[in-house]
Parts: sequence; C-alpha cells; structure tokens
Amino acid sequence: LAKTTQPISMDSYEGQEVNITCSHNNIATNDYITWYQQFPSQGPRFIIQGYKTKVTNEVASLFIPADRKSSTLSLPRVSLSDTAVYYCLVGDMGGATNKLIFGTGTLLAVQP
Amino acid sequence: GAVVSQHPSRVICKSGTSVKIECRSLDFQATTMFWYRQFPKKSLMLMATSNEGSKATYEQGVEKDKFLINHASLTLSTLTVTSAHPEDSSFYICSAQPRDITDTQYFGPGTRLTVL
Repeated sequence: LAKTTQPISMDSYEGQEVNITCSHNNIATNDYITWYQQFPSQGPRFIIQGYKTKVTNEVASLFIPADRKSSTLSLPRVSLSDTAVYYCLVGDMGGATNKLIFGTGTLLAVQP
Repeated sequence: GAVVSQHPSRVICKSGTSVKIECRSLDFQATTMFWYRQFPKKSLMLMATSNEGSKATYEQGVEKDKFLINHASLTLSTLTVTSAHPEDSSFYICSAQPRDITDTQYFGPGTRLTVL
C-alpha cells in the first residue's frame, strides 16, 4: 500500500481557495486516490476520488499529474465549517486488498 | 443513500467488562466492513477487515482474542472489546464497502468507548 505524505496543518480565511497537496511516490498502477474529511468525534466523510487528470464534484476538485505521484485537493471559497482534518488515501479499492491506510491528515483551520 | 450507523454512539464501562459495538449498513449490502480505532488527535488506525461469512483479518499488533469481530450478515458487523481496560478507551469507527460498488467505503459516525 502506498504511503502518503501531507502537511500537518494549514491555515486559511473564509472565502479563499485552499489547495492541499499529498505525495504518494509509490502509488501502484491499480491504485485510486481518495480524499476524506473528518470533523472531531465523527467518522470520515468521502469528498472525492480520482485516478488521473482532474475530477470535480459539487464540493471539491482533485488534480492528479500524469506521473500520479502526488495529488492536490482544491476547496473553492472555504467557510468556517470547512475546518476539519483532510485525509489523502491511496489504494486499490476494487481489488483484493481494498483496505484504506490513513496517514496523518491535514488539519485545515479556516478563520473569519 | 449509503448510510452506515453505529450503536452505541458512546459507552462507558468498568474495567474487565466486555463491550459490543454494532456497525450497520442501512441501505446497502456490504460484503466487507472495516474497523478502525482513533486516539485523540491521532489518525485512524485500521484494526481489522471483516468479510461476511468468514473470519476477520486482523492487522499486525491487533489482538484477535481481545477484539472479536463477527460479520454475520451483509448489513451487520460487530466488534466486541473483551475484558476492556482503560487503555482500550478510544473512538472506534467502522466502514462498509458496498457489495456492488467496490471502489468506495462509507464510514459510520463512530463509537466513543470509555473504560473506567
């Protein structure tokens, strides 16, 4: 399973765009990249998932370069309620070994 | 859709007792469920993978006799913490992988266990 590296914490202000980058140098061919959000004392919530290039949904965008050794979660115009820990995970979700190994995550603090 | 529940949401027990935590997929069938443990200000740590109708697969360092996992149906997995001790106090979270959407996992809200 590919190990991921993220910044421990980030600060932002309301209304700004936030980009959180994750490194996964040992990503395997069958691995997908998935991002989760977790609030204190709650289970993680799925944000977005991708394999390559760019993926966008109603809450975020995920940018994945051609070599797939990193990925960037982009949150447009954050609000105070986006303060949470964001986890980047890499794994072969549809394969035999589909378990998720969580890294340290990035604590995003949004200030007014 | 894709809701996972856990019961209880929080439990306080005395040292030496056993505690059972339920994880249910409410609107989908899950052949595989996962159990995690999370200590304060730490990341989630995978404890075991639970497959319906078969024995759970435990991660290295997790005592299978202490953390009993049963996945008796496609919508229910249980984690029993046997002879709980204060060091077992933690936030336990389950996730469920839909039977027909194997590239996604949905997480439960977690169970806060406090052992006195």
